[in-house]
Parts: sequence; C-alpha cells; structure tokens
Amino acid sequence: DAEITQSPRHKITETGRQVTLACHQTWNHNNMFWYRQDLGHGLRLIHYSYGVQDTNKGEVSDGYSVSRSNTEDLPLTLESAASSQTSVYFCASSEGSGGQGTQYFGPGTRLTVL
Amino acid sequence: ELKVEQNPLFLSMQEGKNYTIYCNYSTTSDRLYWYRQDPGKSLESLFVLLSNGAVKQEGRLMASLDTKARLSTLHITAAVHDLSATYFCAVASNTGNQFYFGTGTSLTVIP
Repeated sequence: DAEITQSPRHKITETGRQVTLACHQTWNHNNMFWYRQDLGHGLRLIHYSYGVQDTNKGEVSDGYSVSRSNTEDLPLTLESAASSQTSVYFCASSEGSGGQGTQYFGPGTRLTVL
Repeated sequence: ELKVEQNPLFLSMQEGKNYTIYCNYSTTSDRLYWYRQDPGKSLESLFVLLSNGAVKQEGRLMASLDTKARLSTLHITAAVHDLSATYFCAVASNTGNQFYFGTGTSLTVIP
C-alpha cells in the first residue's frame, strides 16, 4: 500500500546543531508539505514543493530549508537548531497540480531542542 | 494572510447529544477540509468541501460550507465516545494553494 513515512519519529538535539528530518511518500504525489504543530497554533506551514526542483517558503520558514531532488522525498533541515524549534513536525503530500487536493499526513516527528 | 478561526476550542459533551463546531475564515476560498487527530497521532482526512453549499456526511458527522459567509460547520449527531479527538478545519487559499489550519477543537465525549 502507498504511504507516507517520516524518520526519525523522535529526536533530541542540542542548540546550534544541524538536524535533518526525512519524509518519504510512495504515492507518487507531486506536492509535498512540511508543517509544525504547536499547542495553541494548530498546524503552520514551513515549506512546500509542487514538484522536483521546486521549493517554496511557507508561513514560518525562517531557520528551515528543504530540497526536492526526486518525487518521493522532501527532507527538512534545521540549519542551526533553536529551542523555539521544539515541536512536532508533520510531512504531507497531495496529488494534482499546484497543491490542490486533500493532503495526506505522515505520522509526525517529535523534535526536542535542548 | 488568510486567518482561520475555530470555535469552540474545547468541547465536552455527553454521549447521545448533538453539537456543532464552527470554522470561520477571513478571505475568499472555495476549498475547505476537515481533519481528525487522535492524541499522539497524525491527521486523518474527514471531508473535502469544494463549492458553496457543499454538504458531506459520514456516520455521525456532517460538514457543510457557505463560501459567502466564509463559514464551515461540522455537526455531530448523537455523539459517541469514539468521536473524542481534536478536529481541525483547513482552508486552501485561492491564490497560493497553501493550506491554513484552524487551531483545532478538542472534543471529549463523556459516557
């Protein structure tokens, strides 16, 4: 069955370290998204991609970067982790052009920055 | 920036009762989505509403969309404990194809 996976599921790191969170989908969806979920804020969009080599900034992109070298993967990198980036991170994907269509979410990565 | 407000934020209701969750948004959009999230889990798609007047029903849940009022409702009929979860609405912007999520409604159904 097609799915979307994230790794690691839990990560503890220290302030200033670079961290990369992986997202892999087997639906062959063009569109992929990264969100963070914090209490009282719902989900906020970090970065998104509508296809290979395409990346765009979302609402809260500062301190994060993504790259899209193939259809299946959209890794999220925290260049220099900060305590404010402690959160639960969700990756999502959708089919169709331009990001339309229902987004399907991965299981999430809980990141703690000490 | 598109703003999405849900209310109530917290809802405690008895089994067998009916209730409605409201989702208001600030700018024009004709695509609205409802998701469910169980504690510690990911988000599960419930409904996709793509036009004014759209109504979707699944079991005890019914969602509707009024694009003129910029309002969607999620109606719960005869609640059961299994419906306890957090419910999110998400609105897709007409220009940027981004999703904007409400802060969620935490629903607890009490036996």
